Amino acid sequence: QVQLAQSGAEVKRPGASVRVACRAPGNTFFTYDINWVRQATGQGLEWMGWMNPKSGNTGYAQKFQARVTLTRNTSIGTAYMDLNNLRSDDTAIYYCLSGTMGPWGQGTLVTVSS
Amino acid sequence: QSVLTQSPSASATPGQRVIISCSGSTPNIGTYPVNWYQQVPGTAPKLLMYDDDKRPSGVPDRFSGSKSGTSASLAISGLQSEDEADYYCATWDDSLNGDWVFGGGTKLTVL
Repeated sequence: QVQLAQSGAEVKRPGASVRVACRAPGNTFFTYDINWVRQATGQGLEWMGWMNPKSGNTGYAQKFQARVTLTRNTSIGTAYMDLNNLRSDDTAIYYCLSGTMGPWGQGTLVTVSS
Repeated sequence: QSVLTQSPSASATPGQRVIISCSGSTPNIGTYPVNWYQQVPGTAPKLLMYDDDKRPSGVPDRFSGSKSGTSASLAISGLQSEDEADYYCATWDDSLNGDWVFGGGTKLTVL
């Protein structure tokens, strides 16, 4: 089964930006849209947006529309989630997943703290 | 607040049957198929059911899904200790600009 590999944990100051990477092996990168979901500690799952790896087309949850950008590098089969103007309540584990069925990446912990 | 409503917790003893419900409305569950995800604490979620009632390869037939109108359900029969996890329903929602939405999650405890 395809496994998505995410970049490592990040610690950021409030107001900063973070980039989380999500790599899919080989041609599987182009198979399905990449979705991004986050989970604050002890909380539920929250969808942030999707990206079509072939076209680069994107869609964002209304809550994140102004602060999140989804991009990709097709030559290395990697999708990116950029979140700017970070706040303490952005502290969460960020997941990528292939389509809506998965598989999911292992998650990336982003901690926002002064 | 999630647009999909799940009970925060459920519990049952090994061998019993438990049902986890997910309540929505016409723009979401009433229009689109529902997926269910299982998340063991400390791990990424895993697909448990898709398109309302279809099991991915490898998911035991103890798990079953159904949908009626604007509500969906996940049933687990022959409950086992390893079923202790958080369960989330998810679908799309036309009233939120096509957002993908999750239920708040149900924590299942196997007593």
